[in-house]
Amino acid sequence: DAGITQSPRHKVTETGTPVTLRCHQTENHRYMYWYRQDPGHGLRLIHYSYGVKDTDKGEVSDGYSVSRSKTEDFLLTLESATSSQTSVYFCAISEIMDGNSGNTIYFGEGSWLTVV
Amino acid sequence: SQKIEQNSEALNIQEGKTATLTCNYTNYSPAYLQWYRQDPGRGPVFLLLIRENEKEKRKERLKVTFDTTLKQSLFHITASQPADSATYLCAFSNSNSGYALNFGKGTSLLVTP
Repeated sequence: DAGITQSPRHKVTETGTPVTLRCHQTENHRYMYWYRQDPGHGLRLIHYSYGVKDTDKGEVSDGYSVSRSKTEDFLLTLESATSSQTSVYFCAISEIMDGNSGNTIYFGEGSWLTVV
Repeated sequence: SQKIEQNSEALNIQEGKTATLTCNYTNYSPAYLQWYRQDPGRGPVFLLLIRENEKEKRKERLKVTFDTTLKQSLFHITASQPADSATYLCAFSNSNSGYALNFGKGTSLLVTP
């Protein structure tokens, strides 16, 4: 299994509070991603990182921010949590050998977040 | 926009039969497609990758085909077993988003003894 650790694994928080989810990898992969998964929507990309301090928005980035100060850590922050952000959040990592060979993405075990 | 579609209805089959799952895509010409397996409460796990110049790829009881004319990939599990019950996701990579994968919503497979 790829060395990806997400924390916390489960969290219940109140509307309006800030929340930070952490993803830690031991694979030294360059690319890291945050997805959310919801019934009826599947996996959707929130933000991604292509190196230390290099991040960009994905499909559903509103209400989320990220930071990557070290290769191994990618943080996802909900500045002011809303009930619509109740979801399962997956961190993923990848190393691109070259653009034509394909890249396998490895997922963490997920963080279940409930906003009440 | 790029779309990737999988049959949203669950697929129920009997043990020993071949399961066939379909993945269709529009507004994109991916260089390769990937298939993942997801068990309840777990993250997706990579199964197979097939490139656009490959018609077919096999791995043990798994077979994937890729038809760029039909814009379709088929995923087959032969001699299915109850342990194959899971949700199967197809995905293609988006080089505009750090090679993040765009996923279909997945098809749930249930193999009954």
